[in-house]
Amino acid sequence: KAGVTQTPRYLIKTRGQQVTLSCSPISGHRSVSWYQQTPGQGLQFLFEYFSETQRNKGNFPGRFSGRQFSNSRSEMNVSTLELGDSALYLCASSLAGGSSGNTIYFGEGSWLTVV
Amino acid sequence: QKEVEQDPGPLSVPEGAIVSLNCTYSNSAFQYFMWYRQYSRKGPELLMYTYSSGNKEDGRFTAQVDKSSKYISLFIRDSQPSDSATYLCALYNQGGKLIFGQGTELSVKP
Repeated sequence: KAGVTQTPRYLIKTRGQQVTLSCSPISGHRSVSWYQQTPGQGLQFLFEYFSETQRNKGNFPGRFSGRQFSNSRSEMNVSTLELGDSALYLCASSLAGGSSGNTIYFGEGSWLTVV
Repeated sequence: QKEVEQDPGPLSVPEGAIVSLNCTYSNSAFQYFMWYRQYSRKGPELLMYTYSSGNKEDGRFTAQVDKSSKYISLFIRDSQPSDSATYLCALYNQGGKLIFGQGTELSVKP
């Protein structure tokens, strides 16, 4: 069974640009959540999608957005990039999401560097 | 106060040692407790998942939950150099969000 797949794995962007990251969850999983990981802040929850609807949202500015498609694949977008957005962005999938205590499985992440 | 506190380390131990990793949490409503292991430049992988107070064992790993003290632990017996990684505790809050500790960086020296 294939795991969570994230693309691209590495990317470099310039301040002010925007970026779109993609995530394919484990087959059969309907919940996709996104996390930002930095050395200073650790792993921070961005948002969770379930059946194409955003179910939960963390404390990030509106520049961070996401969506989920009917096949459960998800994308997240960061607009007007800032240097502080440089981080590892992790996608995780689970059968039904956190409200039921389901375990979540992470992808390898997308390393974003903003210069 | 952070919802989950974890000493970031780093923690360095000799091969074969017993390792104890700990987290404390502030909200008694947390119900599900997990430990993840993350190797450098990789995504976290699930190690242990517990629901109730008490111990859960899986090979060399034992997860312990004490809800009365709001304290969770991960013990690694006979530690190996391949155990060198960052270990993250994670708990589900009432809103269904998974909250992570800061992570403890562990190094096991041969």
